[in-house]
Amino acid sequence: EPEVTQTPSHQVTQMGQEVILRCVPISNHLYFYWYRQILGQKVEFLVSFYNNEISEKSEIFDDQFSVERPDGSNFTLKIRSTKLEDSAMYFCASSDPGQSSYEQYFGPGTRLTVT
Amino acid sequence: GEDVEQSLFLSVREGDSSVINCTYTDSSSTYLYWYKQEPGAGLQLLTYIFSNMDMKQDQRLTVLLNKKDKHLSLRIADTQTGDSAIYFCAESMDSSYKLIFGSGTRLLVRP
Repeated sequence: EPEVTQTPSHQVTQMGQEVILRCVPISNHLYFYWYRQILGQKVEFLVSFYNNEISEKSEIFDDQFSVERPDGSNFTLKIRSTKLEDSAMYFCASSDPGQSSYEQYFGPGTRLTVT
Repeated sequence: GEDVEQSLFLSVREGDSSVINCTYTDSSSTYLYWYKQEPGAGLQLLTYIFSNMDMKQDQRLTVLLNKKDKHLSLRIADTQTGDSAIYFCAESMDSSYKLIFGSGTRLLVRP
């Protein structure tokens, strides 16, 4: 069964450093998403991406964040200058626009620890 | 505004039914979803219901939707120890593809 994959599973970085989190969505999906879950808190929407552009973003997704689909398979989230409060689990998801239920399929997540 | 609430914890005995509840505030919700998260794993989509439906059954899972009270529930029949996980309800709106998640209900199944 096709699935969303994410790398790395755990990333440790120092405050102020740039990080890139990588995702490979399900191959025939065209909508891509990033969510994050700070420990003990809700899963929060960050951004959605379709047709090579951002379709929606939350207040969390400020100028420090960017997304890119550099090739036909990868979808990346970049944080330019990490802060302590960026420590969280980051989930990538994808969906098929042909499904009217807009089901989103999630990857296993990348745990980001900023020290 | 958009908000989704769930109770934090539920403990049941193996073989019993589990009922996990969720309330939401936005009446323009289009689809409501249930996701399962096992320790160290991602969010697994279990089932969903369209907002004009009252009930959906999928094997051991039954979803009930009370649109008037904005209440959603997930019933798991014959709960097994492998069902122990965190269960999240989530909603999406017609105007947006983003999912709004509840805080999750931790289900513990006792042998």
